[in-house]
Amino acid sequence: DSGVTQTPKHLITATGQRVTLRCSPRSGDLSVYWYQQSLDQGLQFLIQYYNGEERAKGNILERFSAQQFPDLHSELNLSSLELGDSALYFCASSVATSVPGWDTDTQYFGPGTRLTVL
Amino acid sequence: TQLLEQSPQFLSIQEGENLTVYCNSSSVFSSLQWYRQEPGEGPVLLVTVVTGGEVKKLKRLTFQFGDARKDSSLHITAAQPGDTGLYLCAGVGSPNSGYALNFGKGTSLLVTP
Repeated sequence: DSGVTQTPKHLITATGQRVTLRCSPRSGDLSVYWYQQSLDQGLQFLIQYYNGEERAKGNILERFSAQQFPDLHSELNLSSLELGDSALYFCASSVATSVPGWDTDTQYFGPGTRLTVL
Repeated sequence: TQLLEQSPQFLSIQEGENLTVYCNSSSVFSSLQWYRQEPGEGPVLLVTVVTGGEVKKLKRLTFQFGDARKDSSLHITAAQPGDTGLYLCAGVGSPNSGYALNFGKGTSLLVTP
């Protein structure tokens, strides 16, 4: 158990719909990352939040958005869903202190949310 | 985005055999990580390699970072069924990218008794 929780575990919805995935980081971790895992693209970085603020963006579509709340949990919102959005969505958290310099602190991954768009 | 290629994609071996999986890139990474992912779970970090030429051992697993820090390998000695899983390598991004991980597509390993 990584200490990162994600809900729901499974989500089945239709094209054109909107869904929200939730992530609670490990206690004390300020940074949250979202990743998408699909069979053809593998595991891809979407977006990162640090202490409530967006810190880095990866291959995130404009139809997707995220936020991190004052209690540090994060939500990933996916809208106008397409069949190709079906994937596993993982959240990871790390301490990610604000001290500059190379810091390869560990990212702990949650169990993921499996999204199926029909 | 720096591309990481892993080979082989799939590997099916019998218990007790040795194996090596590879992770290659045309780009230099400051550090590289190996993860193992089991069905229905998120990836779990196995090791981080930082220095070119570095070798790290984790029980029966040996990880090597290439001298030029563009490639890495994972060698498993005397594989066991418990080693079954998806092995992913990931380059650690720059501070500007929030240290986001850039993953290869993985090597799916099946070890049968």
